Parts: sequence; structure tokens; C-alpha cells
Amino acid sequence: DGGITQSPKYLFRKEGQNVTLSCEQNLNHDAMYWYRQDPGQGLRLIYYSQIVNDFQKGDIAEGYSVSREKKESFPLTVTSAQKNPTAFYLCASSMPDGTDTQYFGPGTRLTVL
Amino acid sequence: QKEVEQDPGPLSVPEGAIVSLNCTYSNSAFQYFMWYRQYSRKGPELLMYTYSSGNKEDGRFTAQVDKSSKYISLFIRDSQPSDSATYLCAMSARTGGSYIPTFGRGTSLIVHP
Repeated sequence: DGGITQSPKYLFRKEGQNVTLSCEQNLNHDAMYWYRQDPGQGLRLIYYSQIVNDFQKGDIAEGYSVSREKKESFPLTVTSAQKNPTAFYLCASSMPDGTDTQYFGPGTRLTVL
Repeated sequence: QKEVEQDPGPLSVPEGAIVSLNCTYSNSAFQYFMWYRQYSRKGPELLMYTYSSGNKEDGRFTAQVDKSSKYISLFIRDSQPSDSATYLCAMSARTGGSYIPTFGRGTSLIVHP
């Protein structure tokens, strides 16, 4: 089955620790994205990558880092510099058909204690 | 003024009702318009996308775009309790060689039996 997987589904970390969220896709999509979703705030773009070894900051990149070493994988690291990291994190990829319509993974709920 | 405005609801309707969900926007450069459905604690699922103005129908769902009024709608006919979810509108314009969508905050829909 083709799709986007995110792991883990739930993640708990202590304040001050870095944590890495996994995102993998087998759809052969070129572009991948990370969003943060907070209640009542919709989706906010953290980082996106249109091609391997290249990525751009989104609207709220501070306190986050990414890498894109393989087409299939786009991990997100939430660093200790992120002031309010507790949120629902969504990974997406988009079809190379000129529309860039996005397809989402199931999400990771991160709670920092 | 936010680029995309969407009433968060909740919108509560009886089973079988016709549901109308709407978004307004301010950026006249938007060309692609999408509707996503998101169940609680899940990733958004693409329902429909349209290019420019006009209507598009898929089963019980109809998407409508009025670029002159900067207004898009999603109609759901014969609504079912399984339609209860948050509906996100999204729209995109070409920026730096790709389309990065801007999302509305989402409207919570409750269809009661």
C-alpha cells in the first residue's frame, strides 16, 4: 500500500530535550512538508522540501530543524529552543503534477512535560 | 485580516440535511482550492480540489469556487453521522516554483442521528 507514515503516534518528552519525529512516504512524491496544528489555529507550515538535500523554512521554523537525505524520508527535530512544542505534528507530501496537492500522514501528538 | 477566513463552528445539523461550508479569502492570486476532512486525532484527508472558478461534484460532495467574490463552498448532501469531522479549506498560488497552500482554521461539523 502506498502512503505516508509517521511515527510514533504519541510522544512524550521532558522539557529541554530534543526529539525527532519520523515521516516516510512510498508515493514517489518529490515534495514533503511539516505542519504544526494547535486547537483553533489551523495548520501552520514549519519546513518544506521540494527535492532531496534541499529544504526551506516555513512560517514557524524557529526551534525546529529538518533533513532530506532520501526522497522517502523527511524527519523533523523539535529542539529545546522551541518555546511551546506541545502540539499535533503533520507530515505531508505532494504529487508532481503541477498542482502540488498535498496528502497527509496520520500525525504525531507530541507532549512536552 | 487573515488570508483565509473560515468559521470554526461547531455546525450542528440533523442526519439527512444539506450542509454548506464556506471560506473567504483575500489573495486574488489563489488558483487551486482544496477541501480536506479531518477526523479527531487523524491527519487531514483530501476530499476535493478545483482549479479556478466553477463547480465540481463527487458523490454527495460539491465544491464551488467564486473567484469574483473570493468565496468557496463545500456542499454535503444527505449528511450522515460519519460526516462529523472538521473540514479544512485550503488554497494555493504559485510561489517560487511551487504551490504552498494556505489553510483555513477548519469548521467543526456535527451530524446527529
